[in-house]
Amino acid sequence: KNQVEQSPQSLIILEGKNCTLQCNYTVSPFSNLRWYKQDTGRGPVSLTIMTFSENTKSNGRYTATLDADTKQSSLHITASQLSDSASYICVVSEGSYIPTFGRGTSLIVHP
Amino acid sequence: DAGITQSPRHKVTETGTPVTLRCHQTENHRYMYWYRQDPGHGLRLIHYSYGVKDTDKGEVSDGYSVSRSKTEDFLLTLESATSSQTSVYFCAIRGTSGDLETQYFGPGTRLLVL
Repeated sequence: KNQVEQSPQSLIILEGKNCTLQCNYTVSPFSNLRWYKQDTGRGPVSLTIMTFSENTKSNGRYTATLDADTKQSSLHITASQLSDSASYICVVSEGSYIPTFGRGTSLIVHP
Repeated sequence: DAGITQSPRHKVTETGTPVTLRCHQTENHRYMYWYRQDPGHGLRLIHYSYGVKDTDKGEVSDGYSVSRSKTEDFLLTLESATSSQTSVYFCAIRGTSGDLETQYFGPGTRLLVL
């Protein structure tokens, strides 16, 4: 069964600090991996999309990495801001129309 | 937001009553999805549609039905609402970001079943 596991489940950091969120998956075959940001009370919004051939992709202060051999991805947030407080969801697709979702990491950034 | 709206945005209903949630898109996307999101479970697929009148079940479809009579509207119906169906419901469409396909989500509907 395809699975996506995220860690940690929750994380609290101080404003200005960096953090890294992890995603491990067993989805096969692999098509693409996406990271979404979901603010409280809103729908998820895509941050990055990576295919098999990409191992790093940045979107402002967000940098996603992908190791397709070990089936791991990470999302690194640099110089965190209060607005980064959200849930971050890892989603992996096998090329079908039904992606597999992780349960998300809840990030709280304190001033 | 890929032109996705959901209605209603909030609803309170009683156990045993039927409830219909509407998802509307304006960009002629073929694929549409209904998810529910609950604490500790993340997003779970209820039903999806790959065209007008073409739908299929997801992993948590029991107690739900869907209809898609035109491209822009995807309806989710709870035939007889139960307290376990209290949740936040998200509609999504399958679109493209550059050359890659991805999902875009609506703003969600908060449903409370008393």
